[in-house]
Amino acid sequence: AQRVTQPEKLLSVFKGAPVELKCNYSYSGSPELFWYVQYSRQRLQLLLRHISRESIKGFTADLNKGETSFHLKKPFAQEEDSAMYYCVLGTDKLIFGTGTRLQVFP
Amino acid sequence: EAGVTQFPSHSVIEKGQTVTLRCDPISGHDNLYWYRRVMGKEIKFLLHFVKESKQDESGMPNNRFLAERTGGTYSTLKVQPAELEDSGVYFCASSQDGWGTSTDTQYFGPGTRLTVL
Repeated sequence: AQRVTQPEKLLSVFKGAPVELKCNYSYSGSPELFWYVQYSRQRLQLLLRHISRESIKGFTADLNKGETSFHLKKPFAQEEDSAMYYCVLGTDKLIFGTGTRLQVFP
Repeated sequence: EAGVTQFPSHSVIEKGQTVTLRCDPISGHDNLYWYRRVMGKEIKFLLHFVKESKQDESGMPNNRFLAERTGGTYSTLKVQPAELEDSGVYFCASSQDGWGTSTDTQYFGPGTRLTVL
């Protein structure tokens, strides 16, 4: 079965603290993984995709096929990072996790 | 450039009524997708158009849902008759090219919040 699991509904940290949003996937093929983000009163937007192997807004995510994980990390959280984050598996369609709300307190 | 637009932003209807949601993709995007998020659940794929043709409608929940994309431009999603469990947020997304290409990034609209009473 194709599935994405985000175990944390809510993650709260203070500004400057490291952040790790967890994501595990289930897929028998070669996965393509994304992180989408939705800031308050904005639309869903692509944050990063694993194939690009780039850092966006200080966030990185490494695909670990052995652990079937694609955790999103940032060493120093900022208040403007507060948003809803979705881990997404791409097959011939996008399969979303349930999302993790990140709250960064000042 | 305008992004993906959806109309209406909110709709409140009674069980048994009909509702039609509209999505205008980014100009030039051949691929159009519908998704929905029901309360407490994940965002789920409904269907995918390539121009005016349905490429994949495997996510459509039942035959009360009808999606069209006449002329390959905007798309409508009709729910008839609406049931309580249809309440949720319906998202539309579009991409320039199909899956697996370098320009397949999906751009999302703001969503339509549907409430069925």
